[in-house]
Amino acid sequence: DAKTTQPTSMDCAEGRAANLPCNHSTISGNEYVYWYRQIHSQGPQYIIHGLKNNETNEMASLIITEDRKSSTLILPHATLRDTAVYYCIVRVSTNFGNEKLTFGTGTRLTIIP
Amino acid sequence: EAGVTQFPSHSVIEKGQTVTLRCDPISGHDNLYWYRRVMGKEIKFLLHFVKESKQDESGMPNNRFLAERTGGTYSTLKVQPAELEDSGVYFCASSQDLVAENYGYTFGSGTRLTVV
Repeated sequence: DAKTTQPTSMDCAEGRAANLPCNHSTISGNEYVYWYRQIHSQGPQYIIHGLKNNETNEMASLIITEDRKSSTLILPHATLRDTAVYYCIVRVSTNFGNEKLTFGTGTRLTIIP
Repeated sequence: EAGVTQFPSHSVIEKGQTVTLRCDPISGHDNLYWYRRVMGKEIKFLLHFVKESKQDESGMPNNRFLAERTGGTYSTLKVQPAELEDSGVYFCASSQDLVAENYGYTFGSGTRLTVV
């Protein structure tokens, strides 16, 4: 799986949009970009994923650049409960084998009241 | 639907003892994964079951760790004998499709293991 680079930490004011960047310059054509987060003392939580098109769900939006070398996770209206460590993961999705996730150090997002 | 359930939530054991962690995946999920985070380190993959078969156990640290999934339902992870460096949080996750393109994994809340 391709390596990802994320800032170590970020702050965002409550109610504002939180934009979390991720670089994955070595991504291959068949690799997806996944985002998970881990709120303190809980298990990782799936947020969103995409291949090359921008994606949106009830939790967040995912913007992937045209060359797919970077992406941004957007939490449109951050709340205090969004304080967590956010992981950007690039993974090949195949019909068999190697379905594991490789977690990096992630971005520690702190929402400021 | 019920989520991924892990038991116990916390365990404190002495070095050299045996501990068994249990994971109940979401009903109907064929894929079950074990991960762990040891102190100060990143979350690391341990192994992957497809039903009762071990699909990938490349992350298992050594032969003191034994994972089973008899009948393809719940899974156990036994550590025998436990060492101090085994302390950490052990997460279990499950997914419905092997090609989990449309689903993220669902993780349990983890078991915090402390070896003293």
